[in-house]
Amino acid sequence: GQQVMQIPQYQHVQEGEDFTTYCNSSTTLSNIQWYKQRPGGHPVFLIQLVKSGEVKKQKRLTFQFGEAKKNSSLHITATQTTDVGTYFCAGGTTSGTYKYIFGTGTRLKVLA
Amino acid sequence: EADIYQTPRYLVIGTGKKITLECSQTMGHDKMYWYQQDPGMELHLIHYSYGVNSTEKGDLSSESTVSRIRTEHFPLTLESARPSHTSQYLCASTQTGSSGNTIYFGEGSWLTVV
Repeated sequence: GQQVMQIPQYQHVQEGEDFTTYCNSSTTLSNIQWYKQRPGGHPVFLIQLVKSGEVKKQKRLTFQFGEAKKNSSLHITATQTTDVGTYFCAGGTTSGTYKYIFGTGTRLKVLA
Repeated sequence: EADIYQTPRYLVIGTGKKITLECSQTMGHDKMYWYQQDPGMELHLIHYSYGVNSTEKGDLSSESTVSRIRTEHFPLTLESARPSHTSQYLCASTQTGSSGNTIYFGEGSWLTVV
């Protein structure tokens, strides 16, 4: 079946350092979404990318969708302690079923 | 803020008991989902629904069942709970074509089977 992998699984960074998580799908995606889940919380929507090669920014966060629509990345510049949590990508299938397959997640810990 | 609610939030039950986890959304979304997530781990889709009277099993095999008799309601039932069912269950919903298909999650139901 369709799989969406994320690397790294865990990342510890010093506050102020940059952070990147990568998302790779085994199949072509119709779109990709990114979510953040704080410890003990539920996933919260961050952004959606639809077009091949699309790049979107939200303050210190930069999201990119690959040309082949099979991979994506989230980059955080100058991390803060509020960035702590698990970041999930979710790939939309191309079959029109609107079933989203969540990635394995990257757990970010920011050390003050 | 999303209007999707789950009850109970926390539950401890004995092995063999029947349990229904409730999920309701007031946004009129047509699509609803149930995910299972162990602490700090990935989300596994166990059931989804595209609309009333439409349900499908997800990628993770689950002994639970769901129903979608009303648009706003998507309960999940375990007929006979086992310790292996101990986990967090997250309900979610989305509306095709609006807000870019944003998936809204409930706060989750933490189930412990002893």
